[in-house]
Amino acid sequence: RKEVEQDPGPFNVPEGATVAFNCTYSNSASQSFFWYRQDCRKEPKLLMSVYSSGNEDGRFTAQLNRASQYISLLIRDSKLSDSATYLCVVNKAYQLIWGAGTKLIIKP
Amino acid sequence: DADVTQTPRNRITKTGKRIMLECSQTKGHDRMYWYRQDPGLGLRLIYYSFDVKDINKGEISDGYSVSRQAQAKFSLSLESAIPNQTALYFCATSEGADEKLFFGSGTQLSVL
Repeated sequence: RKEVEQDPGPFNVPEGATVAFNCTYSNSASQSFFWYRQDCRKEPKLLMSVYSSGNEDGRFTAQLNRASQYISLLIRDSKLSDSATYLCVVNKAYQLIWGAGTKLIIKP
Repeated sequence: DADVTQTPRNRITKTGKRIMLECSQTKGHDRMYWYRQDPGLGLRLIYYSFDVKDINKGEISDGYSVSRQAQAKFSLSLESAIPNQTALYFCATSEGADEKLFFGSGTQLSVL
């Protein structure tokens, strides 16, 4: 089993819709969680950190479920520019473990 | 100008050749990292450095070496490149204990 698992997708979603995807992690001691966004063949960029209480940044909401060991990302009112691969990142000791990413395609 | 600069952007080389990938940053961060990304896999850590005198192996360091020439510079070497080192390589920096990473634009390396 991978330490951080994501559904690779692609998720094909019409513009304006709400989409959510999860990421599961295996290390129950993990304390830091992040979502990064990566456009095709470009560098990952931090989208948001994920806090225990959940957090929201505009149309994006991230939540953490420690009991079930997953984090989620919800995107509301999706835009064409949201098309990208979303990478889940979880810490393990002093290193970060990266998921392989979920590809999202927003269609007009 | 980019805060984290990688050179070259693309490189094609032959098996057995020595290759160096360079990374420089203007963010003033102490921590620097080298990752590789392969299709269908998450980023994997090759080496990391928390300051000029500190070098640590990551998950997949075999076949690679690094040099931290200054706070701002961190280079990755492949002493004898092999085809399965074909990948997209990223350099990244972070500030202190904050684990948020800032990436360079990447180097696509192809080993024939």
